[in-house]
Amino acid sequence: SQQGEEDPQALSIQEGENATMNCSYKTSINNLQWYRQNSGRGLVHLILIRSNEREKHSGRLRVTLDTSKKSSSLLITASRAADTASYFCATAPSGNQFYFGTGTSLTVIP
Amino acid sequence: DGGITQSPKYLFRKEGQNVTLSCEQNLNHDAMYWYRQDPGQGLRLIYYSQIVNDFQKGDIAEGYSVSREKKESFPLTVTSAQKNPTAFYLCASTQRRSSYNEQFFGPGTRLTVL
Repeated sequence: SQQGEEDPQALSIQEGENATMNCSYKTSINNLQWYRQNSGRGLVHLILIRSNEREKHSGRLRVTLDTSKKSSSLLITASRAADTASYFCATAPSGNQFYFGTGTSLTVIP
Repeated sequence: DGGITQSPKYLFRKEGQNVTLSCEQNLNHDAMYWYRQDPGQGLRLIYYSQIVNDFQKGDIAEGYSVSREKKESFPLTVTSAQKNPTAFYLCASTQRRSSYNEQFFGPGTRLTVL
């Protein structure tokens, strides 16, 4: 399987703290994307980082990509209770087929 | 409002029955996808279509069938050949036939086999 893996599987933090989750993948990629899923809902796109980029920011989100290690990290700064959700990375090695990781379940305690 | 709609939200099926899940988008997107989500396993690709009247199998296509007769519609049929169909099904679309575009997801259909 080309599916990526997120680490940790579950993360629980206090409101205001930073949350970091990691994604490892297996094949070379064109880009890596991060998505968020609230319980029982569809996924929402957060950010895309291309294979020639090393870091990208969007609001309270910071994504890094290390293609030599086939890994990426998502940092959420100053977390809020509303950030409670599952977070998935998705890779597209080639063409139009996306591969999603197993997800990190984030709980932000008010 | 533009977006992706899936219906029904909940679906119950008896063993041996075929059921069809609806997915419609008004985003004028070329590519559409069906994923299956099981607890703790992330999303797995069932089928995808990059253009009308064309589609490709994903990693877990066995027991499923699709059609793409219209750009805005990509229904998924779960056949009786699918041995363990109870899952959460997600439909998605992208603007162009390129992996550089984000996927837009529908709200999902939860299928339960009785």
